[in-house]
Amino acid sequence: NAGVMQNPRHLVRRRGQEARLRCSPMKGHSHVYWYRQLPEEGLKFMVYLQKENIIDESGMPKERFSAEFPKEGPSILRIQQVVRGDSAAYFCASSPRSGEKLFFGSGTQLSVL
Amino acid sequence: EDQVTQSPEALRLQEGESSSLNCSYTVSGLRGLFWYRQDPGKGPEFLFTLYSAGEEKEKERLKATLTKKESFLHITAPKPEDSATYLCAPYEDDKIIFGKGTRLHILP
Repeated sequence: NAGVMQNPRHLVRRRGQEARLRCSPMKGHSHVYWYRQLPEEGLKFMVYLQKENIIDESGMPKERFSAEFPKEGPSILRIQQVVRGDSAAYFCASSPRSGEKLFFGSGTQLSVL
Repeated sequence: EDQVTQSPEALRLQEGESSSLNCSYTVSGLRGLFWYRQDPGKGPEFLFTLYSAGEEKEKERLKATLTKKESFLHITAPKPEDSATYLCAPYEDDKIIFGKGTRLHILP
């Protein structure tokens, strides 16, 4: 049973470009969380999704950021018109049910030039 | 407003020197609390879940305890391989909030 898969592992974008981060949850998991982490900082909650639904997006900036978790395929975190301040590690986690422990992926390191 | 505060921010111990890490939270309707370990460049790895005050969980040199307002992660006779950042995450609803963590460094 493969763990949570995130790709790409590293992503380099120039200012103004779009970044798409992908997350395939563990088999049987229908709950996905996205977190952002800056160096020496903790994990900052961004968004919580279940299949085809956004449950809580209170941690996600209102502009330029969006997330989806379609019926088929991975969850996508999309950042439009990236700026240097978007540079960070983005982690995805999944769980089989609400309130259960999260299984994390290895993260995507986004660097904006 | 910080809901989760972990202390100390960083801790250096000699191998074999026991200590405790603290996680204080202001979550009112606590449903549970997670402890995770994170190594540099990797995703967090699950350690424990605690559900109610008075509960304790143990794994090798680690023991986690929970009160109504805080949780402790006790590390007994640590080894260099225990060096990592330890994160706690209390939760009351579907949103799981993590503290900033304690960076633990065990010197051989």
